Amino acid sequence: NAGVTQTPKFQVLKTGQSMTLQCAQDMNHEYMSWYRQDPGMGLRLIHYSVGAGITDQGEVPNGYNVSRSTTEDFPLRLLSAAPSQTSVYFCASSYSRGGNEQFFGPGTRLTVL
Amino acid sequence: SQQGEEDPQALSIQEGENATMNCSYKTSINNLQWYRQNSGRGLVHLILIRSNEREKHSGRLRVTLDTSKKSSSLLITASRAADTASYFCATDVNAGGTSYGKLTFGQGTILTVHP
Repeated sequence: NAGVTQTPKFQVLKTGQSMTLQCAQDMNHEYMSWYRQDPGMGLRLIHYSVGAGITDQGEVPNGYNVSRSTTEDFPLRLLSAAPSQTSVYFCASSYSRGGNEQFFGPGTRLTVL
Repeated sequence: SQQGEEDPQALSIQEGENATMNCSYKTSINNLQWYRQNSGRGLVHLILIRSNEREKHSGRLRVTLDTSKKSSSLLITASRAADTASYFCATDVNAGGTSYGKLTFGQGTILTVHP
């Protein structure tokens, strides 16, 4: 199993550009989520999904969209990038919505100029 | 807002010593989890303790949970240089008895173990 994979590893955007961060898992996990990690802030939940076709907002959803058309994939879209979105983004998955460990991807380091 | 507060923010010890990190949280939880993050990498799950458990062990790791004080501690015994990493506690908040798996992370403790 590859586990949780994320692409790209690094990305530089200009303010106003849009892009999609990809996340995929091959463990047949129901639950997937996106976090961002900023220096000194720990991880903050952006959006999460409890199954295909079901998504909801986390703590810091503004400026991001998600969709979950398959169990395996959970892309994160930045609609109009802003410098405040410069961060490291992690995707995670777990077997079911609660009470289980989450498996994290390697992260995408995004810089918005 | 951050649910968990970790203490200390940084810890520097010698190989062979024990390392203790503490986590406090604010609201009722279903479980509390500890994760490790090596520099530039993703998080790796270490241990999960449920709200009805008081202590859990996994290898050199010992986790305690005191729900009355809303606090947890992670003890790493006989530390090694390879334990150098950031350690995060994460709480799965109890929303009316239901766990939605929405983890709230603390800011982390940076552990440095000197050979």
